[in-house]
Amino acid sequence: QQQVKQSPQSLIVQKGGISIINCAYENTAFDYFPWYQQFPGKGPALLIAIRPDVSEKKEGRFTISFNKSAKQFSLHIMDSQPGDSATYFCAPQYNDYKLSFGAGTTVTVRA
Amino acid sequence: DADVTQTPRNRITKTGKRIMLECSQTKGHDRMYWYRQDPGLGLRLIYYSFDVKDINKGEISDGYSVSRQAQAKFSLSLESAIPNQTALYFCATSDPSGGAADTQYFGPGTRLTVL
Repeated sequence: QQQVKQSPQSLIVQKGGISIINCAYENTAFDYFPWYQQFPGKGPALLIAIRPDVSEKKEGRFTISFNKSAKQFSLHIMDSQPGDSATYFCAPQYNDYKLSFGAGTTVTVRA
Repeated sequence: DADVTQTPRNRITKTGKRIMLECSQTKGHDRMYWYRQDPGLGLRLIYYSFDVKDINKGEISDGYSVSRQAQAKFSLSLESAIPNQTALYFCATSDPSGGAADTQYFGPGTRLTVL
């Protein structure tokens, strides 16, 4: 079943703008909420992650916002740069290792 | 040098052929995984292994088999390839000793086309 719904499928943002990607989940057993970033020709790599006991985590220009009651979390990319152009996956996790990947969002940052 | 390597990087094969994809890692991780990526579907888990003697099916294991030859090597086989197995395949590793949640480290992928 579709446990994770990610939106939008793609987005285009101008350099310096804000990119926002949303992820909705159904499985309440998820206990860790990572975002993975994938560049063309590469495998995904962990970008940032949050635990459900906090509502927000910021690392540089990347922020995760987490809403446990709504079963949603989002990735915000501030001051977007051309080097941020990539595909982003939410991949909530449970039992230490089981990732459930969203369908992915392709972000294009125009210079 | 890359920590997780996959061979081959690209492969074209014909329906009915047996094919093996190989994964090697130098990270010293016990846990290894095989995923497939299809456009619009994200990544889906095919098989995973927590050590050499422990192998488990993922959500889409039908038509696939695996072999864990050593801690560092995990191979995926398609016994009789079919066109809908055309996809991008990724190997990943993780280490549970780092905390309650594993970060998974992915290889560069193998693009497989079945004609």
